[in-house]
Amino acid sequence: GAGVSQTPSNKVTEKGKYVELRCDPISGHTALYWYRQSLGQGPEFLIYFQGTGAADDSGLPNDRFFAVRPEGSVSTLKIQRTERGDSAVYLCASSFSPGAGELFFGEGSRLTVL
Amino acid sequence: KQEVTQIPAALSVPEGENLVLNCSFTDSAIYNLQWFRQDPGKGLTSLLLIQSSQREQTSGRLNASLDKSSGRSTLYIAASQPGDSATYLCAVRTNNNDMRFGAGTRLTVKP
Repeated sequence: GAGVSQTPSNKVTEKGKYVELRCDPISGHTALYWYRQSLGQGPEFLIYFQGTGAADDSGLPNDRFFAVRPEGSVSTLKIQRTERGDSAVYLCASSFSPGAGELFFGEGSRLTVL
Repeated sequence: KQEVTQIPAALSVPEGENLVLNCSFTDSAIYNLQWFRQDPGKGLTSLLLIQSSQREQTSGRLNASLDKSSGRSTLYIAASQPGDSATYLCAVRTNNNDMRFGAGTRLTVKP
């Protein structure tokens, strides 16, 4: 696609529910990143994929968070048993290659946990 | 762990002024540094990318410099316009490929 696409753009859920956020990177981009951004803060790294594998998942806050990229393109961020503190904007980014490549971001998915 | 700091947190200037935004990072072992712009409620738009071997990059009224040894980068905006009002974020890509962000500088350019 022309840019990084994220769906849904907005998600409101109740505490304890399960949520999936989807990211469709720019075609041909092998590296994919998930970030979380709280109001007034810079994006916080969650996980990085190179191809299908999670090359670095050190930013995932706990085991309620999980992400997959089964075919090396679309990625899904999954959050189990959501908590109010999970409310944030979840940003996805992709780059053509790791290392020196420029990072391109989607518009984000705003998650609100009531 | 790489820490990225941006100063000032907020800046307000009259239209037409030249201005400098600052970014510092603690670990000089980086691949590159990227400056982004973020408008309220929007995603991040890439402005400039500086590779670790480069000293500066320019695009239009924007100029970004990198001093890796001292862990600093600056974003210079010439002849500022109200449309430049946004939050500017600095991000550093470390050698293990993750990208660490500063908290941003919120810029307001007054007509």
